[in-house]
Amino acid sequence: GAGVSQSPRYKVAKRGQDVALRCDPISGHVSLFWYQQALGQGPEFLTYFQNEAQLDKSGLPSDRFFAERPEGSVSTLKIQRTQQEDSAVYLCASSWGLNTEAFFGQGTRLTVV
Amino acid sequence: KQEVTQIPAALSVPEGENLVLNCSFTDSAIYNLQWFRQDPGKGLTSLLLIQSSQREQTSGRLNASLDKSSGRSTLYIAASQPGDSATYLCASSDAGNMLTFGGGTRLMVKP
Repeated sequence: GAGVSQSPRYKVAKRGQDVALRCDPISGHVSLFWYQQALGQGPEFLTYFQNEAQLDKSGLPSDRFFAERPEGSVSTLKIQRTQQEDSAVYLCASSWGLNTEAFFGQGTRLTVV
Repeated sequence: KQEVTQIPAALSVPEGENLVLNCSFTDSAIYNLQWFRQDPGKGLTSLLLIQSSQREQTSGRLNASLDKSSGRSTLYIAASQPGDSATYLCASSDAGNMLTFGGGTRLMVKP
């Protein structure tokens, strides 16, 4: 596709509900990243994939957060039993490979009520 | 752990001014440094990427410099326009390809 596509753009979840956020990277991009951005702050790293392999998940805040990229293209970030502190914008980025320019999607704004 | 700081946090200037946004980082062992623009409610748009071996990159009215030894990067915007109003974020990349972001500078250019 022309750019990184994320869906849904907005998600309102009741506390305790599970959510799944989708990222379609730019076709052919090997690297895929998830970031979390709280209001008024810079994005913070969550996890990194190279093709289908999850090479770094050190930024995931708890075991309620799970990410996958089973075929090395589309990725899903799943949050189980959502809590209010999970409210943030979740950004996905992709790049050709190591240390190349990262391209970001428009993000999914998650609000947990 | 890498820490990235951006100063100022907010900046308001009249149209036409040249301005400099500052970014500092604590660990000089970076692979590259990238500047992004973020409009309200939008994702990040990449502006410039400077590899660790480079000193600067230019694109139109934008010029970014990198001084690894002092842990600093600057983004220079020439002849600012109201359309430049946005949040500007810098981010350093480590060996693991992870980006560490600063908190951003919110720029307002007044007509």
